[in-house]
Amino acid sequence: EVQVVESGGGLVQPGRSLRLSCRGSGLNFGDYAMSWVRQAPGKGLEWVGFIRSKADGGTTDYAASVKGRFIVSRDDSKSIAYLQMNSLKIEDTAVYYCYSDTVMVPLEYWGQGTLVTVSS
Amino acid sequence: QAGLTQPPSVSKGLRQTATLTCSGNSNNVGNEGADWLQQHQGHPPKLLSYRDNNRPSGISERLSASRSGNIASLTITGLQPEDEADYYCSAWDTSLSARVFGGGTKLTVL
Repeated sequence: EVQVVESGGGLVQPGRSLRLSCRGSGLNFGDYAMSWVRQAPGKGLEWVGFIRSKADGGTTDYAASVKGRFIVSRDDSKSIAYLQMNSLKIEDTAVYYCYSDTVMVPLEYWGQGTLVTVSS
Repeated sequence: QAGLTQPPSVSKGLRQTATLTCSGNSNNVGNEGADWLQQHQGHPPKLLSYRDNNRPSGISERLSASRSGNIASLTITGLQPEDEADYYCSAWDTSLSARVFGGGTKLTVL
């Protein structure tokens, strides 16, 4: 059974940093792109960014709203993807979801999400 | 970042058919096709359909997706109480090099 599990959320002050983790199991983690999506309270889904598989170059893309502040990385030896969030703003408050992607099947396996609250 | 356009809400009766729409442009829906997700309150999204009309295993045959130009549609027949949820369309935007989502449609089954 495929499982994707996020961790690392919590309460953080504006301007500080936080790193989220996304661990995959039951899948050949290195074959998948790993993506992050967030959902502010009572709002819709907003794509944050992703990292391609090593076979596809391991490159990253980001939403304009987080570009230059957030960084997605991966450690395939541990089956973990990371979302490093810097210079956090109040409007970054959301549940952050991680999901796996392939060229064949996008948006396939989702985690349960982790809540990030940015507040002073 | 420009997103896709979905009606905020749709209401239909039990066992009726609902068609949800999603409008994009030639850089996203019109180019790569649309993906559809379902989200129940308090739960993560779930993939229903990808690249216009491909269903992952385990997804009900009551769901079907289609596309005409830059507009994608998700049709759910024989509506059941468990179909009541938020539905999101999404597509990769080649001009933005980013994935875009619609604002979501809340489907109410009366």
